[in-house]
Amino acid sequence: NAGVTQTPKFRILKIGQSMTLQCTQDMNHNYMYWYRQDPGMGLKLIYYSVGAGITDKGEVPNGYNVSRSTTEDFPLRLELAAPSQTSVYFCASTLSGGPFIAKNIQYFGAGTRLSVL
Amino acid sequence: GQQLNQSPQSMFIQEGEDVSMNCTSSSIFNTWLWYKQDPGEGPVLLIALYKAGELTSNGRLTAQFGITRKDSFLNISASIPSDVGIYFCAGLSGAQKLVFGQGTRLTINP
Repeated sequence: NAGVTQTPKFRILKIGQSMTLQCTQDMNHNYMYWYRQDPGMGLKLIYYSVGAGITDKGEVPNGYNVSRSTTEDFPLRLELAAPSQTSVYFCASTLSGGPFIAKNIQYFGAGTRLSVL
Repeated sequence: GQQLNQSPQSMFIQEGEDVSMNCTSSSIFNTWLWYKQDPGEGPVLLIALYKAGELTSNGRLTAQFGITRKDSFLNISASIPSDVGIYFCAGLSGAQKLVFGQGTRLTINP
């Protein structure tokens, strides 16, 4: 019962460095999402994907890129890390479609805590 | 963009007390969700509401989907120490995208 798995759990980056946050799910969900959560705030949507090969911007996409080459994986890339990207990043997935599917339940990973110094 | 206003931002209560929090929006949502987040963890779904006026319970938790589809509330009865955490409301918009409230941080004094 792995669910949504995020790696790494913690990371410290220097300004200008790049990194990829990994997210994988084993529930065969078609929809996947990346959110960021700043201290004392709710989650804001960065990017989402409705299926392999399809991605779209959320509310706060600037400074990030995503790809969705497989159903299972949805990596988030930071090309030039900035202090404003210090946050906790959550990946989520859900299964959309069909009359017997538990509707709209998004399952979240445990998060990646990123500091950019 | 769409925004949810969640209140209160924080609550300090005694164990055994009831808790009430709510979310309002200027936009209509077709689905309202309530999540709980423990420290160092991702949000976990508590209750999902799919129809205006719907009242749904999950143990000591009760949530309602407002008639106008612009608000929702969550009640917790007879609070216990494990209820401590941050509670988020979320509205579901197009393409299954969630819009989150700012969260209500619940602290319980034993």
